[in-house]
Amino acid sequence: EAGVTQFPSHSVIEKGQTVTLRCDPISGHDNLYWYRRVMGKEIKFLLHFVKESKQDESGMPNNRFLAERTGGTYSTLKVQPAELEDSGVYFCASSHRTSGSPGVDEQFFGPGTRLTVL
Amino acid sequence: AQSVTQLDSQVPVFEEAPVELRCNYSSSVSVYLFWYVQYPNQGLQLLLKYLSGSTLVESINGFEAEFNKSQTSFHLRKPSVHISDTAEYFCAVIKAAGNKLTFGGGTRVLVKP
Repeated sequence: EAGVTQFPSHSVIEKGQTVTLRCDPISGHDNLYWYRRVMGKEIKFLLHFVKESKQDESGMPNNRFLAERTGGTYSTLKVQPAELEDSGVYFCASSHRTSGSPGVDEQFFGPGTRLTVL
Repeated sequence: AQSVTQLDSQVPVFEEAPVELRCNYSSSVSVYLFWYVQYPNQGLQLLLKYLSGSTLVESINGFEAEFNKSQTSFHLRKPSVHISDTAEYFCAVIKAAGNKLTFGGGTRVLVKP
């Protein structure tokens, strides 16, 4: 079974440009999460999809970030326009809800996309 | 809200020596606790977790962690490390009915021969 995949693995862009990150979750996983690790800081939650619906987007830093999950399969995270402070590693994770306590469901992480904004 | 503190950002250790990675958390509600590991150039992998029951949990590769409710800690230990244990280790918590993991800052373990 394929794991969570993310594309690209690295992206280097100029300030003010647009970048789109893609995440393909494990097949059959309804839950999809985005996290971000800014250099030297903790990994922080950005948002959570259940199928195609945004369940929680409380971690999105500002309106320059737009996440979509059309059809409930893969997801994209667009940053427009990118700023220097957006640099970091963006992780995607997915889980298959199997119990009444969602916290129990293991989140499987992708390898991340390293974004560098110059 | 929850918070997680990993007290050591880096831990150098010699091969076959023991290692302990410290993790303390703060939460007003019950949480589940996790340790994730990130090997070089790979994604995060779940190492072990505490949901309920026995406070001592073990992984398949020799790590163990003990949940201490009174000290709000979930320290990770291995009695004898290998070169292949070189990685970054993350402690994390999640509310039982929650959807988002709260991570500590990570601890880089460098195993030296």
